[in-house]
Amino acid sequence: GQQLNQSPQSMFIQEGEDVSMNCTSSSIFNTWLWYKQDPGEGPVLLIALYKAGELTSNGRLTAQFGITRKDSFLNISASIPSDVGIYFCAGRPGNFNKFYFGSGTKLNVKP
Amino acid sequence: GAGVSQSPRYKVAKRGQDVALRCDPISGHVSLFWYQQALGQGPEFLTYFQNEAQLDKSGLPSDRFFAERPEGSVSTLKIQRTQQEDSAVYLCASSLAGAAVPYGYTFGSGTRLTVV
Repeated sequence: GQQLNQSPQSMFIQEGEDVSMNCTSSSIFNTWLWYKQDPGEGPVLLIALYKAGELTSNGRLTAQFGITRKDSFLNISASIPSDVGIYFCAGRPGNFNKFYFGSGTKLNVKP
Repeated sequence: GAGVSQSPRYKVAKRGQDVALRCDPISGHVSLFWYQQALGQGPEFLTYFQNEAQLDKSGLPSDRFFAERPEGSVSTLKIQRTQQEDSAVYLCASSLAGAAVPYGYTFGSGTRLTVV
């Protein structure tokens, strides 16, 4: 199957700091998604990217689709306690229906 | 309904027991997906339906896993003769779009299966 490497695995930051996490794949993807998962809940879509080089924002979140189509990053600015959770990247090769997920970045924010 | 609903939320099964997990997708959503999420991992694809047709079951780990969506709405994931390695959260997701879904899905809260 597809290999998605997501880093870092976990982060401990102070409230107000900016955060950056990224995802790399072993092959080319046509779509990148970023999800957030809270304990006991399903993942919730944050940002969707459809074109190489695309930069998209959703409030304090900004994500980019890498030019090589093999990577993506997510930035969170001015973190707040409710940003705590696990962030997953997901990619889709070609026109297949399934997405491949990274193993997640666990974010902890100290007030 | 307003969201994807899954039941039960928690299921404890004795090894060897059969289980059935239910998913109610968002009304009118054409596509339905099942994912398996092991502890500390990202979701892994199991199977995909477009209406009642199961178009991709390449992720089902063994022939003990079976999924159906007979009327193109509610779906059931059945696991026969459960084993400890089946312990995971089973996530259902649905999408309004049909084939070649470009968008993200809407996930349910999942069913946490523990096999003892």
